[in-house]
Amino acid sequence: EAQVTQNPRYLITVTGKKLTVTCSQNMNHEYMSWYRQDPGLGLRQIYYSMNVEVTDKGDVPEGYKVSRKEKRNFPLILESPSPNQTSLYFCASSLRQTGGPSPLHFGNGTRLTVT
Amino acid sequence: AQTVTQSQPEMSVQEAETVTLSCTYDTSENNYYLFWYKQPPSRQMILVIRQEAYKQQNATENRFSVNFQKAAKSFSLKISDSQLGDTAMYFCAFSSTQGGSEKLVFGKGTKLTVNP
Repeated sequence: EAQVTQNPRYLITVTGKKLTVTCSQNMNHEYMSWYRQDPGLGLRQIYYSMNVEVTDKGDVPEGYKVSRKEKRNFPLILESPSPNQTSLYFCASSLRQTGGPSPLHFGNGTRLTVT
Repeated sequence: AQTVTQSQPEMSVQEAETVTLSCTYDTSENNYYLFWYKQPPSRQMILVIRQEAYKQQNATENRFSVNFQKAAKSFSLKISDSQLGDTAMYFCAFSSTQGGSEKLVFGKGTKLTVNP
């Protein structure tokens, strides 16, 4: 089944303790992206990747890191989480194609709480 | 920078009736794409419908249709014969490939409740 898999679904941590949220897709998509969703703000892009070893900042990259060593994986790293990073996180992927963007496939989300 | 505005934070509708969710956007581009995503309580993001700006014909998917007014930069979603399963957050989103990032810019969402 074609899917984007995020883990964990729920995570509670403390300020300053490094964590990684994993994201994997099995559709051979070139494009992958991370979003955070906050009440009243919608979804905002954190980082994106156009292909292996190619990553770039989105609208709200501060406090986050990403890597794209393999095409299928795009982990989100919080080196020193802070309470303002408490949010719902989504990983998404899509094919890159001529003629416009193909629809994003989203993972099921990771609810992160930083105390 | 592109912006997407959903002016209705919450809406409700009776089962079997029709409801329209509003969305406006701002862009200087001529070619772009617009989407409506649904997020039920399960949190999953589900693509409802997609519209390409160069197509004049409004997109339709079963009970879901859009009213795309390019000059007015308006992209409303009409849900006909509303069902209880339509209860969800609905997000309008804009995308272009300028710069090649396929980035989606989302509105803040409209929470739709379908009442029995």
